[in-house]
Amino acid sequence: DIQLTQSPSSLSASVGDRVTITCQATQDIREYLNWYQQKPGQAPRLLLYDASNLQAGVPSRFSGGGSGTDFTFIISSLQPEDIATYYCQQYDNVPLTFGGGTKVEIK
Amino acid sequence: DVQVVESGGGLVQPGRSLRLSCAASGFIFNDYAMHWVRQAPGKGLEWVSGISWNSDSVGYADSVKGRFTVSRDNAKNSMYLQMNSLRGDDTALYFCARDLTAYNSVRGATLAYWGQGTQVTVSS
Repeated sequence: DIQLTQSPSSLSASVGDRVTITCQATQDIREYLNWYQQKPGQAPRLLLYDASNLQAGVPSRFSGGGSGTDFTFIISSLQPEDIATYYCQQYDNVPLTFGGGTKVEIK
Repeated sequence: DVQVVESGGGLVQPGRSLRLSCAASGFIFNDYAMHWVRQAPGKGLEWVSGISWNSDSVGYADSVKGRFTVSRDNAKNSMYLQMNSLRGDDTALYFCARDLTAYNSVRGATLAYWGQGTQVTVSS
C-alpha cells in the first residue's frame, strides 16, 4: 500500500501568513494527489485535484504542486475561516490512502 | 444540486452485521463511481471501499477485506455497504462520496461530493 506522510501534523499561524503543508508518498504517484479540507463537525471538502487543479468554487489563495513522491499545499494568506484539518489523498493505486492530516490553527 | 445521504448506522455488538445505504440525487448516478470513507473518533480519514460506475471494479481497504461488501443499485440511485463480523475498531463515522469524474474505475478516485455521514458504534 502507498503511505502518505504529511508535515507538519499541526501548525499555528497568524492571519495573513503563508502556510505550507507537505505530503510525501512512499512511491511514485505521478500527479495523482488530492487535497481536502475538513472543519470540525463537517464532511471533508475537495480543494485541489491532480496535485494542482483548483476545484470549482475554491478560493484562489489555495494552491498545490508537486509530482512523483513530493507534494506541497499552500495557503497564500491565511484567513480565519481556513481553520481546519487538511488531508492529502492518493489515487494512483488501490487501496486509496490519505495522509494523517495537518491541523491548522490561528495564532 | 448533487446530494448523497447516508443511513443505516447504529449501535451493534461485536461480531454482528450492519448494512449502510447511500442515497444519491441531483446527478446521473449510473455514471459515477462511489466510495465509502470512515473516520474513527478523533482520528483521520480512512478509505473503506469503492465501486465503479458500472460495478465492474470494486476495491477494499485491507482492514475490511473479506468482511465488508460494497454494491450499488443504479435503478434505485443507491449504494450499499454490507458490514459483517464487526469489530470495535470499525467504530467510526461512515461517509459516502461521489467521484469527480464520470466513468472512472475505483482506482482513479477524486472524492468531490460527500454526505454528512452515518455513525457506526460497535460495542457490547
